[in-house]
Amino acid sequence: IAGITQAPTSQILAAGRRMTLRCTQDMRHNAMYWYRQDLGLGLRLIHYSNTAGTTGKGEVPDGYSVSRANTDDFPLTLASAVPSQTSVYFCASSASGGGNEQFFGPGTRLTVL
Amino acid sequence: GIQVEQSPPDLILQEGANSTLRCNFSDSVNNLQWFHQNPWGQLINLFYIPSGTKQNGRLSATTVATERYSLLYISSSQTTDSGVYFCAVGILYGGSQGNLIFGKGTKLSVKP
Repeated sequence: IAGITQAPTSQILAAGRRMTLRCTQDMRHNAMYWYRQDLGLGLRLIHYSNTAGTTGKGEVPDGYSVSRANTDDFPLTLASAVPSQTSVYFCASSASGGGNEQFFGPGTRLTVL
Repeated sequence: GIQVEQSPPDLILQEGANSTLRCNFSDSVNNLQWFHQNPWGQLINLFYIPSGTKQNGRLSATTVATERYSLLYISSSQTTDSGVYFCAVGILYGGSQGNLIFGKGTKLSVKP
């Protein structure tokens, strides 16, 4: 593994189903982030984690939860998916949360029907 | 909250032409990055440039933090430069510095 990996690459999901998007980084970065990208709106921050064991809410956290049990993994869970959560989801990481450069994974394209 | 505005929203160039993309932001920032999103959706880091000037091949960037803007220069454009260019700034958010606020991007099309 080199950098950030995300899984799945794409997914079609029925409304009301639970879904976990996976993100793993091998750069030993302390900080990790989840963004969503919607047409015409750019990328918006969902949740972040400055270090293992801590998480925080971003700009659009409703309907999403995260956990950070270790340094490498930062899963994003949709407890009960809704069509408005159809989007492309990007995971990112940085050495720390203090203004360091962020690096992005390849993204997960999620469609909720 | 902080506003990040990019211009122009769309740009069409002939291969070999030069261009300048602009990013204005409304408040002090501790991070500024330029990204290229290619036609396959990947976000490629171009520059980490909270201030000053950097160059990487045909691309260069300048950030004037005191005047709250950044410029991305593309020289001798190639068709592979096509895609969307994003500017993103880092702010203090919820007690954590560095969470990025993205502009809406400049969509660049380079014609052969």
